Amino acid sequence: GESVGLHLPTLSVQEGDNSIINCAYSNSASDYFIWYKQESGKGPQFIIDIRSNMDKRQGQRVTVLLNKTVKHLSLQIAATQPGDSAVYFCAENKRGGSEKLVFGKGTKLTVNP
Amino acid sequence: EPEVTQTPSHQVTQMGQEVILRCVPISNHLYFYWYRQILGQKVEFLVSFYNNEISEKSEIFDDQFSVERPDGSNFTLKIRSTKLEDSAMYFCASRGGEPKSPQHFGDGTRLSIL
Repeated sequence: GESVGLHLPTLSVQEGDNSIINCAYSNSASDYFIWYKQESGKGPQFIIDIRSNMDKRQGQRVTVLLNKTVKHLSLQIAATQPGDSAVYFCAENKRGGSEKLVFGKGTKLTVNP
Repeated sequence: EPEVTQTPSHQVTQMGQEVILRCVPISNHLYFYWYRQILGQKVEFLVSFYNNEISEKSEIFDDQFSVERPDGSNFTLKIRSTKLEDSAMYFCASRGGEPKSPQHFGDGTRLSIL
């Protein structure tokens, strides 16, 4: 069946360190993946996306890696800042259809000053 | 930067009452979605809407739910007879017409059923 999950529910890092948030997906029909950041009381905020024809995509301080062989997705945040503290969700999108998103359970990132 | 806006931010309703949640998607977007998030859980898909009709709906989206785009800017979710288990955050999202374009979310409506 379709499912997107995360290896760790919480991650605590020191300010300035790099953070890596992981995600496993099981649906090989998924061809588009998105990372969202959700702060308390807010909606999911788009961070970065990647299509299945790519292995890596970089944004500002963030990098997403996609390993289709093991169905694994990761989000790397460089020089993590207190403002990065939030819950991070990966979401997958299957080929065709309405492009609904299937979300994972989320990883809560805490950045310690 | 354009954003999705949702009203109200918090809605408290008696069980059995009808409720309408409102959304204004990003103006040039063509695809619209509703999701919900029960406290502490993951975000779940409810329904997608394109070209004035539902394109896909989940098992959660039963006959008590309906969506409408009454004019060129609003997108609404109606729950006809609310149940306690409808208590959740409801998020509206929209995206542009290009395939595999990211969905952008509003900040949600917290629905509390008493």
